[in-house]
Amino acid sequence: NAGVTQTPKFQVLKTGQSMTLQCAQDMNHNSMYWYRQDPGMGLRLIYYSASEGTTDKGEVPNGYNVSRLNKREFSLRLESAAPSQTSVYFCASRDRGLLRETQYFGPGTRLLVL
Amino acid sequence: QKEVEQNSGPLSVPEGAIASLNCTYSDRGSQSFFWYRQYSGKSPELIMSIYSNGDKEDGRFTAQLNKASQYVSLLIRDSQPSDSATYLCAVTGGTSYGKLTFGQGTILTVHP
Repeated sequence: NAGVTQTPKFQVLKTGQSMTLQCAQDMNHNSMYWYRQDPGMGLRLIYYSASEGTTDKGEVPNGYNVSRLNKREFSLRLESAAPSQTSVYFCASRDRGLLRETQYFGPGTRLLVL
Repeated sequence: QKEVEQNSGPLSVPEGAIASLNCTYSDRGSQSFFWYRQYSGKSPELIMSIYSNGDKEDGRFTAQLNKASQYVSLLIRDSQPSDSATYLCAVTGGTSYGKLTFGQGTILTVHP
């Protein structure tokens, strides 16, 4: 089991360029999430997908779009990158049991927008 | 107003001491509470979850929840240098589809 995987690990973009961050999980989880982490601000939710075929906005969705391609894959797209989108992006999936729940995070994508 | 607040760090404790990390939250509907550990340059890792008032112990870690005071804490007993990391408090609401709201994190340093 690879858990949650993300590609790329690191990316440099120029302002106005576009890119897609890829995320996949092999744990058969229904729910998946995209967070961004900026220094001193913890993690903030960008978008989430409660189940295959559904997506919804989180706390900071502006400038991003997502696609839940299938149960395994959830991608995040930056259509026109801005320096304010320089951040570390984490994808997560949720294991929801009867008495507990756990979110598993991918290794992250470090994005620098010049 | 930030929804989840953690005590400002960094927090430095000697090896073998108890480290105490605190967190308050503003949404009274919050139902699930989590502590994540994040090493520098790595992704967050869940170390404790708590869902009802009281204490929950797991090895050297104890989570405490007081919903009336909207307060959750994490105690680390017999702190080790390997516990040095950023600790993130996170909460979810009852109908939030598992959406986590994080605090800003507290940096813990355990010195030999």
